[in-house]
Amino acid sequence: NAGVTQTPKFRVLKTGQSMTLLCAQDMNHEYMYWYRQDPGMGLRLIHYSVGEGTTAKGEVPDGYNVSRLKKQNFLLGLESAAPSQTSVYFCASGSVNSNEQYFGPGTRLTVT
Amino acid sequence: GENVEQHPSTLSVQEGDSAVIKCTYSDSASNYFPWYKQELGKRPQLIIDIRSNVGEKKDQRIAVTLNKTAKHFSLHITETQPEDSAVYFCAAIHNTDKLIFGTGTRLQVFP
Repeated sequence: NAGVTQTPKFRVLKTGQSMTLLCAQDMNHEYMYWYRQDPGMGLRLIHYSVGEGTTAKGEVPDGYNVSRLKKQNFLLGLESAAPSQTSVYFCASGSVNSNEQYFGPGTRLTVT
Repeated sequence: GENVEQHPSTLSVQEGDSAVIKCTYSDSASNYFPWYKQELGKRPQLIIDIRSNVGEKKDQRIAVTLNKTAKHFSLHITETQPEDSAVYFCAAIHNTDKLIFGTGTRLQVFP
């Protein structure tokens, strides 16, 4: 099993450009999450999903959109990137039977 | 909503000494408290967790204690080794709600 994977691993965007980050999991987990990690700020939840077709806002949702069309995939979109969105983005997944979250390897995004 | 505070932000210890990291939470309904370890450039990984019906849990050199009355929990690492050097995050959650993370503690273990 690959676990949780993320693409791409690195990306550089110019201000105003758009992009989509893809998270995929092969553990048949119901829950999926997108976090951003900034120095000294820990992991902050952007959006999450408790099942296919459902999404909800986390702590810092502004400037991001998400979609969960398939159970195994959770997409994070930036419609108009800003330098404040420079960060490392982590996806995670978890099952209804356990609170444990399994993290992907992360995507390092730089917005210039 | 839940708020988790973590201290200290950095911690340096000599190899073989113990390390203690403390977290406090605000929501008395929170019932699950995991600890994640993140090595440089890697993903966070669960190292130990505790539920609110338990006061202490151990796994070899790692232990977690929970004080529900005071709403704080702590990670204890004994006989520290250089490979324990990493950033450690605590978190809290109520049932299937969202995990809220602390801001992390950078632990350095010097040989």
